[in-house]
Amino acid sequence: TQLLEQSPQFLSIQEGENLTVYCNSSSVFSSLQWYRQEPGEGPVLLVTVVTGGEVKKLKRLTFQFGDARKDSSLHITAAQPGDTGLYLCARYNFNKFYFGSGTKLNVKP
Amino acid sequence: NAGVTQTPKFQVLKTGQSMTLQCAQDMNHEYMSWYRQDPGMGLRLIHYSVGAGITDQGEVPNGYNVSRSTTEDFPLRLLSAAPSQTSVYFCASSYSISGPLHFGNGTRLTVT
Repeated sequence: TQLLEQSPQFLSIQEGENLTVYCNSSSVFSSLQWYRQEPGEGPVLLVTVVTGGEVKKLKRLTFQFGDARKDSSLHITAAQPGDTGLYLCARYNFNKFYFGSGTKLNVKP
Repeated sequence: NAGVTQTPKFQVLKTGQSMTLQCAQDMNHEYMSWYRQDPGMGLRLIHYSVGAGITDQGEVPNGYNVSRSTTEDFPLRLLSAAPSQTSVYFCASSYSISGPLHFGNGTRLTVT
Protein backbone atom coordinates (compact mmCIF):
# COMPACT_ATOMS: atom_id res chain seq x y z
CA THR A 1 0.00 0.00 0.00
CA GLN A 2 1.08 3.54 -0.67
CA LEU A 3 -1.03 4.92 2.17
CA LEU A 4 0.38 7.83 4.14
CA GLU A 5 -1.36 8.64 7.42
CA GLN A 6 -1.04 12.12 8.83
CA SER A 7 -1.94 13.23 12.32
CA PRO A 8 -3.49 15.20 13.76
CA GLN A 9 -6.03 16.05 11.07
CA PHE A 10 -6.69 19.49 12.59
CA LEU A 11 -4.69 21.65 14.98
CA SER A 12 -5.65 25.06 16.37
CA ILE A 13 -3.10 26.76 18.61
CA GLN A 14 -2.13 30.18 19.93
CA GLU A 15 0.76 32.17 18.54
CA GLY A 16 3.98 31.23 20.31
CA GLU A 17 3.10 27.59 21.01
CA ASN A 18 5.09 24.64 19.73
CA LEU A 19 3.58 21.78 17.74
CA THR A 20 4.46 18.54 16.01
CA VAL A 21 2.67 16.83 13.12
CA TYR A 22 3.29 13.30 11.95
CA CYS A 23 3.38 11.30 8.74
CA ASN A 24 3.39 7.49 8.97
CA SER A 25 3.31 4.49 6.68
CA SER A 26 3.57 0.72 7.01
CA SER A 27 6.10 0.60 4.17
CA VAL A 28 9.55 2.07 3.73
CA PHE A 29 9.99 5.37 1.91
CA SER A 30 12.89 5.99 -0.42
CA SER A 31 12.34 9.68 0.30
CA LEU A 32 9.66 11.94 1.71
CA GLN A 33 8.61 15.46 0.87
CA TRP A 34 6.74 18.00 3.00
CA TYR A 35 4.57 20.66 1.36
CA ARG A 36 2.57 23.57 2.75
CA GLN A 37 -0.62 24.73 1.07
CA GLU A 38 -2.31 28.06 1.76
CA PRO A 39 -6.00 28.66 0.95
CA GLY A 40 -6.63 29.17 -2.78
CA GLU A 41 -3.11 28.16 -3.76
CA GLY A 42 -1.21 25.06 -4.75
CA PRO A 43 1.14 23.23 -2.37
CA VAL A 44 4.69 24.53 -2.07
CA LEU A 45 7.65 22.30 -1.23
CA LEU A 46 9.20 22.82 2.21
CA VAL A 47 11.77 20.03 2.33
CA THR A 48 12.82 16.62 1.04
CA VAL A 49 14.26 14.04 3.44
CA VAL A 50 16.12 11.05 2.08
CA THR A 51 18.30 9.39 4.72
CA GLY A 52 16.97 7.46 7.73
CA GLY A 53 17.49 9.54 10.91
CA GLU A 54 17.97 12.71 8.91
CA VAL A 55 17.07 16.04 10.54
CA LYS A 56 16.60 19.20 8.49
CA LYS A 57 15.88 22.68 9.78
CA LEU A 58 14.14 25.49 7.94
CA LYS A 59 14.08 28.51 10.30
CA ARG A 60 11.54 27.51 13.02
CA LEU A 61 10.59 24.26 11.27
CA THR A 62 12.42 21.01 12.06
CA PHE A 63 11.86 17.94 9.90
CA GLN A 64 12.85 14.46 10.99
CA PHE A 65 12.94 11.22 8.99
CA GLY A 66 12.59 8.06 11.07
CA ASP A 67 15.52 5.65 11.32
CA ALA A 68 13.51 2.93 9.57
CA ARG A 69 12.28 5.41 6.92
CA LYS A 70 8.63 4.61 7.65
CA ASP A 71 7.73 7.84 9.40
CA SER A 72 8.49 11.53 9.49
CA SER A 73 7.64 14.47 11.72
CA LEU A 74 7.48 18.23 11.38
CA HIS A 75 8.03 20.33 14.50
CA ILE A 76 7.28 24.05 14.55
CA THR A 77 8.76 26.18 17.32
CA ALA A 78 6.98 29.34 18.43
CA ALA A 79 4.26 29.14 15.79
CA GLN A 80 3.17 32.35 14.07
CA PRO A 81 -0.07 33.20 12.21
CA GLY A 82 1.92 33.00 8.97
CA ASP A 83 2.40 29.27 9.61
CA THR A 84 -1.34 28.71 9.12
CA GLY A 85 -2.04 26.28 6.29
CA LEU A 86 -2.40 22.67 5.24
CA TYR A 87 0.74 20.57 5.73
CA LEU A 88 1.06 17.60 3.39
CA CYS A 89 3.59 14.80 3.26
CA ALA A 90 4.23 12.97 0.00
CA ARG A 91 6.21 9.97 -1.13
CA TYR A 92 7.48 9.10 -4.58
CA ASN A 93 7.27 5.59 -6.00
CA PHE A 94 7.63 4.42 -9.63
CA ASN A 95 6.82 7.70 -11.39
CA LYS A 96 3.95 8.50 -9.03
CA PHE A 97 3.53 10.72 -6.00
CA TYR A 98 1.26 9.73 -3.13
CA PHE A 99 0.06 12.33 -0.64
CA GLY A 100 -1.24 12.09 2.89
CA SER A 101 -4.57 13.73 3.72
CA GLY A 102 -2.80 16.57 5.51
CA THR A 103 -2.80 18.43 8.82
CA LYS A 104 -4.76 21.67 8.81
CA LEU A 105 -3.00 24.13 11.13
CA ASN A 106 -4.55 27.34 12.41
CA VAL A 107 -2.36 29.67 14.47
CA LYS A 108 -4.37 32.32 16.27
CA PRO A 109 -2.76 35.70 17.05
CA ASN B 1 8.40 33.75 -13.60
CA ALA B 2 5.01 32.32 -14.55
CA GLY B 3 5.77 28.75 -13.37
CA VAL B 4 2.69 26.51 -13.74
CA THR B 5 -0.42 28.26 -15.07
CA GLN B 6 -3.88 26.71 -14.81
CA THR B 7 -7.03 27.99 -16.48
CA PRO B 8 -9.83 28.54 -15.73
CA LYS B 9 -9.73 29.26 -12.00
CA PHE B 10 -13.41 28.42 -11.51
CA GLN B 11 -15.86 26.40 -13.63
CA VAL B 12 -19.43 25.21 -13.23
CA LEU B 13 -20.65 22.40 -15.47
CA LYS B 14 -23.88 20.51 -15.84
CA THR B 15 -23.87 16.73 -15.72
CA GLY B 16 -22.88 15.32 -19.10
CA GLN B 17 -21.06 18.40 -20.36
CA SER B 18 -17.46 18.20 -21.46
CA MET B 19 -14.59 20.57 -20.86
CA THR B 20 -10.81 20.86 -20.86
CA LEU B 21 -8.74 22.13 -17.98
CA GLN B 22 -5.62 23.82 -19.25
CA CYS B 23 -2.14 23.53 -17.73
CA ALA B 24 1.02 25.17 -19.05
CA GLN B 25 4.52 25.44 -17.60
CA ASP B 26 7.46 27.53 -18.75
CA MET B 27 10.22 25.76 -16.82
CA ASN B 28 11.01 23.13 -19.48
CA HIS B 29 9.99 20.37 -17.05
CA GLU B 30 9.59 16.90 -18.52
CA TYR B 31 7.34 15.52 -15.77
CA MET B 32 3.76 16.83 -15.48
CA SER B 33 0.81 15.52 -13.53
CA TRP B 34 -2.81 16.17 -12.57
CA TYR B 35 -4.29 15.77 -9.10
CA ARG B 36 -7.69 16.24 -7.57
CA GLN B 37 -8.11 17.44 -4.01
CA ASP B 38 -11.20 16.55 -2.04
CA PRO B 39 -11.89 17.39 1.63
CA GLY B 40 -10.13 14.98 3.98
CA MET B 41 -8.50 13.03 1.14
CA GLY B 42 -5.37 14.97 0.30
CA LEU B 43 -4.21 14.99 -3.31
CA ARG B 44 -4.89 12.02 -5.55
CA LEU B 45 -3.05 11.46 -8.82
CA ILE B 46 -5.25 11.34 -11.94
CA HIS B 47 -2.76 11.11 -14.83
CA TYR B 48 0.87 11.91 -15.37
CA SER B 49 3.39 12.34 -18.17
CA VAL B 50 7.15 11.80 -18.16
CA GLY B 51 7.62 13.66 -21.46
CA ALA B 52 5.95 14.78 -24.68
CA GLY B 53 3.98 11.95 -26.25
CA ILE B 54 4.00 9.81 -23.09
CA THR B 55 1.13 9.62 -20.60
CA ASP B 56 0.04 7.11 -17.97
CA GLN B 57 -2.69 6.59 -15.40
CA GLY B 58 -2.55 7.50 -11.75
CA GLU B 59 -4.76 6.41 -8.83
CA VAL B 60 -8.08 7.83 -10.07
CA PRO B 61 -8.02 8.04 -13.91
CA ASN B 62 -11.64 7.07 -14.72
CA GLY B 63 -13.61 9.82 -16.44
CA TYR B 64 -10.50 11.80 -17.44
CA ASN B 65 -8.31 11.88 -20.55
CA VAL B 66 -4.96 13.56 -21.11
CA SER B 67 -2.52 14.14 -23.93
CA ARG B 68 0.97 15.65 -24.08
CA SER B 69 1.80 16.99 -27.52
CA THR B 70 4.36 19.54 -26.26
CA THR B 71 6.66 19.80 -23.25
CA GLU B 72 4.85 22.94 -22.07
CA ASP B 73 1.18 21.86 -22.12
CA PHE B 74 -0.73 19.07 -20.39
CA PRO B 75 -4.52 19.50 -20.72
CA LEU B 76 -7.01 17.41 -18.75
CA ARG B 77 -10.29 16.52 -20.48
CA LEU B 78 -13.57 15.60 -18.87
CA LEU B 79 -15.64 13.93 -21.59
CA SER B 80 -18.94 13.66 -19.71
CA ALA B 81 -18.89 15.45 -16.36
CA ALA B 82 -20.44 13.81 -13.30
CA PRO B 83 -21.20 15.30 -9.85
CA SER B 84 -18.52 12.99 -8.40
CA GLN B 85 -15.97 15.05 -10.35
CA THR B 86 -16.72 18.14 -8.30
CA SER B 87 -13.32 18.93 -6.82
CA VAL B 88 -10.30 21.21 -6.93
CA TYR B 89 -7.86 20.19 -9.65
CA PHE B 90 -4.13 20.86 -9.48
CA CYS B 91 -1.53 20.54 -12.18
CA ALA B 92 2.11 20.05 -11.20
CA SER B 93 5.41 19.83 -13.00
CA SER B 94 8.89 18.71 -12.08
CA TYR B 95 12.36 18.77 -13.61
CA SER B 96 12.96 15.28 -12.28
CA ILE B 97 10.41 12.45 -12.06
CA SER B 98 11.23 12.21 -8.35
CA GLY B 99 10.33 15.83 -7.72
CA PRO B 100 10.06 18.31 -6.20
CA LEU B 101 6.67 19.20 -7.65
CA HIS B 102 5.76 22.74 -8.69
CA PHE B 103 2.01 23.29 -8.51
CA GLY B 104 -0.38 25.66 -10.22
CA ASN B 105 -3.03 27.47 -8.20
CA GLY B 106 -5.81 25.07 -9.09
CA THR B 107 -9.16 24.98 -10.86
CA ARG B 108 -12.28 24.71 -8.70
CA LEU B 109 -14.83 22.65 -10.64
CA THR B 110 -18.46 22.19 -9.66
CA VAL B 111 -20.67 19.72 -11.54
CA THR B 112 -24.41 20.11 -10.94
